[in-house]
Amino acid sequence: DAGVTQSPTHLIKTRGQQVTLRCSPKSGHDTVSWYQQALGQGPQFIFQYYEEEERQRGNFPDRFSGHQFPNYSSELNVNALLLGDSALYLCASSPSGGAWDTQYFGPGTRLTVL
Amino acid sequence: ELKVEQNPLFLSMQEGKNYTIYCNYSTTSDRLYWYRQDPGKSLESLFVLLSNGAVKQEGRLMASLDTKARLSTLHITAAVHDLSATYFCAAFQGAQKLVFGQGTRLTINP
Repeated sequence: DAGVTQSPTHLIKTRGQQVTLRCSPKSGHDTVSWYQQALGQGPQFIFQYYEEEERQRGNFPDRFSGHQFPNYSSELNVNALLLGDSALYLCASSPSGGAWDTQYFGPGTRLTVL
Repeated sequence: ELKVEQNPLFLSMQEGKNYTIYCNYSTTSDRLYWYRQDPGKSLESLFVLLSNGAVKQEGRLMASLDTKARLSTLHITAAVHDLSATYFCAAFQGAQKLVFGQGTRLTINP
């Protein structure tokens, strides 16, 4: 079992650009959540996808958008990048039926905005 | 809005000593998680606590939950250097949204 995978590992962009991050959930998991972790802080919930729809959203602007594909993989898109978007972006997957299961986190994508 | 607070935020200990990290949350939550994060790495799941009075232990780490006090603790027994990391607690809000504390950066010195 490969667990949760994310790509790319690292990314450098400039202000105003757009970025797409990708996540493949753990086998058997159909729910994907995205978190932003700024340096020295705890992760903050961006949004969650289930059945190809955004099910819940945190306090992030519309510049942050996502998508879930029929194979449960997911993308996070960020438009008009700001310096403050520099962070580790974590994807977490969980099974919808197992209400008490832990969310499993991927290795993350480190985004640097210059 | 659920808020999660940890203390201390920084903890420097000697090997062999015991210590406790505290996690308070502001509103009812039916699940409490503890994660470990090494520098530059992702989050590793340690414990999930589901009910009042729940206690779980793994090696030198033991976690407990008091839902009435809205308090969880992570106790470290006879600390060893390998336990140096940042520890996060997180509580659930709504369907599956995790709200994290600020993290406790633990350094264990020989």
